[in-house]
Amino acid sequence: RKEVEQDPGPFNVPEGATVAFNCTYSNSASQSFFWYRQDCRKEPKLLMSVYSSGNEDGRFTAQLNRASQYISLLIRDSKLSDSATYLCVVTKATNDYKLSFGAGTTVTVRA
Amino acid sequence: IAGITQAPTSQILAAGRRMTLRCTQDMRHNAMYWYRQDLGLGLRLIHYSNTAGTTGKGEVPDGYSVSRANTDDFPLTLASAVPSQTSVYFCASSSSGGTTDTQYFGPGTRLTVL
Repeated sequence: RKEVEQDPGPFNVPEGATVAFNCTYSNSASQSFFWYRQDCRKEPKLLMSVYSSGNEDGRFTAQLNRASQYISLLIRDSKLSDSATYLCVVTKATNDYKLSFGAGTTVTVRA
Repeated sequence: IAGITQAPTSQILAAGRRMTLRCTQDMRHNAMYWYRQDLGLGLRLIHYSNTAGTTGKGEVPDGYSVSRANTDDFPLTLASAVPSQTSVYFCASSSSGGTTDTQYFGPGTRLTVL
């Protein structure tokens, strides 16, 4: 079983729509969780960290469910510029800073 | 402009050849990493360095070596390239290597081994 699994998509949505997707992780000892964004043929960049209580950053909302071992990302009022691949990232365990990356979920926002 | 640079941007290499991918950061970050990214797979850690003078093996270290002689540079060497090493290679750094530290990535090197 992969350490981090994501639905690869693609999620094709119209501008203004809401899109949401999940990521599951296998190691119950995982401590830190992130969403990274990767544009085509570019480097990944941190979108947001995911906190236990859930958190928002503008149109983006991240949630963590430790009991079911998944995190989610919701994008409201989608913009064309949101088209990208979203990488779910998890640290493996306490005091282990090495990250485990999901293969990514591709979102395409159409006009 | 502060950040991470990688060289070359892309390279086609004959199997069996030796190749060094260069990575330099000017953010004075202690920790640096090398990843490879293959289609359908997440980024996989090859090697890492917590601080200058130390290195460690990641998830897929075989066929690769690294050195960290100073804070800024973290070269990745393929001693004898094989076609399975065809991939996109990303170098990254973070300030201290802590679990909540943001990792900043370089623009990547696209390597094709024939």
